[in-house]
Amino acid sequence: EIVLTQSPGTLSLSPGERATLSCRASQSVSSSYLAWYQQKPGQAPRLLIYGASSRATGIPDRFSGSGSGTDFTLTISRLEPEDFAVYYCQQYGSSLMYTFGQGTKLEIK
Amino acid sequence: QVQLVESGGGLVKPGGSLRLSCAASGFTFSDYYMSWIRQAPGKGLEWVSYISSSSSYTNYADSVKGRFTISRDNAKNSLYLQMNSLRAEDTAVYYCARGLFVGGSLSHFDYWGQGTLVTVSS
Repeated sequence: EIVLTQSPGTLSLSPGERATLSCRASQSVSSSYLAWYQQKPGQAPRLLIYGASSRATGIPDRFSGSGSGTDFTLTISRLEPEDFAVYYCQQYGSSLMYTFGQGTKLEIK
Repeated sequence: QVQLVESGGGLVKPGGSLRLSCAASGFTFSDYYMSWIRQAPGKGLEWVSYISSSSSYTNYADSVKGRFTISRDNAKNSLYLQMNSLRAEDTAVYYCARGLFVGGSLSHFDYWGQGTLVTVSS
């Protein structure tokens, strides 16, 4: 089973700053099957990025994804107040199972 | 618009059973794989199970295999999760989610319900 490790656990930044979130896999992951979600308190997760770099419908272009193999990155170019939330990466792999990273909390500094 | 509405959560004693439901609308339910994903209080997301569009294929996380059963009724646009032999560690919000394919393989989830809380406690 592929394990996804996200870092940092918590990221403290100010609105307007750039955020870089990391997701590292224990084995190589097909880029086609790496996604990112945003979750705000009391809400369901929302799909941001799929296929490592494709934005989901309605997602602002300040969100971008990149990476391949075992290292993937979610970048938020200029933080808006509504971007402070928890972010999860997720993959689907050869084990025919989905796995999620443990999450990165993006908080206001 | 796509809607997924879970129900059936509640308080149950260890060793007990519960059946969750997810009512789908706004899309052709019978065309999509569906999953259950859970989130323990203050914790991260854990995929639980998925079922193929025609119910031919199912798969489960090791943590629930042999205790939980996923099913669906395409005529009723509904997804179910039968949970038996419940344990304290099954306490979580349970979400249903629609799965998408990329390049012929399952990939990610594009729509999620708002979740239903299951509490296992004596």
